[in-house]
Amino acid sequence: GQQLNQSPQSMFIQEGEDVSMNCTSSSIFNTWLWYKQDPGEGPVLLIALYKAGELTSNGRLTAQFGITRKDSFLNISASIPSDVGIYFCAGLGGGSNYKLTFGKGTLLTVNP
Amino acid sequence: GAVVSQHPSRVICKSGTSVKIECRSLDFQATTMFWYRQFPKQSLMLMATSNEGSKATYEQGVEKDKFLINHASLTLSTLTVTSAHPEDSSFYICSASRTQGIGTDTQYFGPGTRLTVL
Repeated sequence: GQQLNQSPQSMFIQEGEDVSMNCTSSSIFNTWLWYKQDPGEGPVLLIALYKAGELTSNGRLTAQFGITRKDSFLNISASIPSDVGIYFCAGLGGGSNYKLTFGKGTLLTVNP
Repeated sequence: GAVVSQHPSRVICKSGTSVKIECRSLDFQATTMFWYRQFPKQSLMLMATSNEGSKATYEQGVEKDKFLINHASLTLSTLTVTSAHPEDSSFYICSASRTQGIGTDTQYFGPGTRLTVL
């Protein structure tokens, strides 16, 4: 089946630093989504990418959909303590059509 | 917006009882709703997909008689865990997709329901 390889698995950074995480796949996806999940909560959509090569920003977050539709990165600039959480990439479309394929998540810890 | 609510947020029940979890899309109509299960420190695992007015489609290994799903309207889906046992204890999360417009397949998640079976 389809798989998303998300890295890094975890990150420990100082407040104010920039962060980058990425996902790759052997399959093509039509839509790429980035979610953040806080402990005990459901995932919250951060950025949705619909076109190959698309670069989208949401505040301090920037994400890009790879030109091949097989990869994406998420950058967080000037991190703050509330950025702590698990970040998931997810792909839609391709072989699984409407189903989301999730990465395994990146646990981000921000030290004040 | 795209707000999805779940109720209850937490439930504790005795083994053998049934528990119903509601998922509502508050400000949009959802053709499709999804139910996930998440174990600690793991990603979300899709259990089933439900479309309004039709039977749910279950993922391989998910017992449809154990996890009953009803999608009665474009804003409400319910998951009933029947004859719950301790191994059913988990975090259950629903999501919903809009019926129309750009990004109709983007899923918006509810806040989750923590089920504990004693």
